[in-house]
Amino acid sequence: DTGVSQDPRHKITKRGQNVTFRCDPISEHNRLYWYRQTLGQGPEFLTYFQNEAQLEKSRLLSDRFSAERPKGSFSTLEIQRTEQGDSAMYLCASSPHRGQAGELFFGEGSRLTVL
Amino acid sequence: DQQVKQNSPSLSVQEGRISILNCDYTNSMFDYFLWYKKYPAEGPTFLISISSIKDKNEDGRFTVFLNKSAKHLSLHIVPSQPGDSAVYFCAASARERDDKIIFGKGTRLHILP
Repeated sequence: DTGVSQDPRHKITKRGQNVTFRCDPISEHNRLYWYRQTLGQGPEFLTYFQNEAQLEKSRLLSDRFSAERPKGSFSTLEIQRTEQGDSAMYLCASSPHRGQAGELFFGEGSRLTVL
Repeated sequence: DQQVKQNSPSLSVQEGRISILNCDYTNSMFDYFLWYKKYPAEGPTFLISISSIKDKNEDGRFTVFLNKSAKHLSLHIVPSQPGDSAVYFCAASARERDDKIIFGKGTRLHILP
């Protein structure tokens, strides 16, 4: 399978713990996006990368959230000192950027439950 | 501020009939529109898109119509099939500005036997 893969698929943690999600995009895609989806809502933009450069961060992303894409391939999203409000599905998507934004290819998501 | 609005949380349609899903947007800079489909426990999958230079785009059973003056688009599915039961997200971006894609809240489509 050469689609976008995310790990873990489901994470249950206690409030105050740190969690990290990993995303492996489609190999030839140079753009990588993180979105968050809660119940009854559509995907909300968090941040995105062009190769290893982080180009934009949503103001939804507090200081507890950090994302990296160190070699322009896989990406990690870390949440420090988790809160119950962080419970959501974290979606990663990649895109073959060719001068303009194009359609996104999503992974299956990482569901976070904060107890 | 919701820039992409899907005002119908759910829609039920008889199998074989036409399904029409609606979407409104507020940002006049949007020039590229997409529809995604999502099954439970899966990520959204791209369905169809349309550029603002067109008013219609068709792909098999799926047609998207764009009315720029009304800032409105719709997705038509004809004929509706049981496998079409899913959540459908409308999305938009200011592609000329290379901006990110913004999603609506989604409409859950139920295809009735």
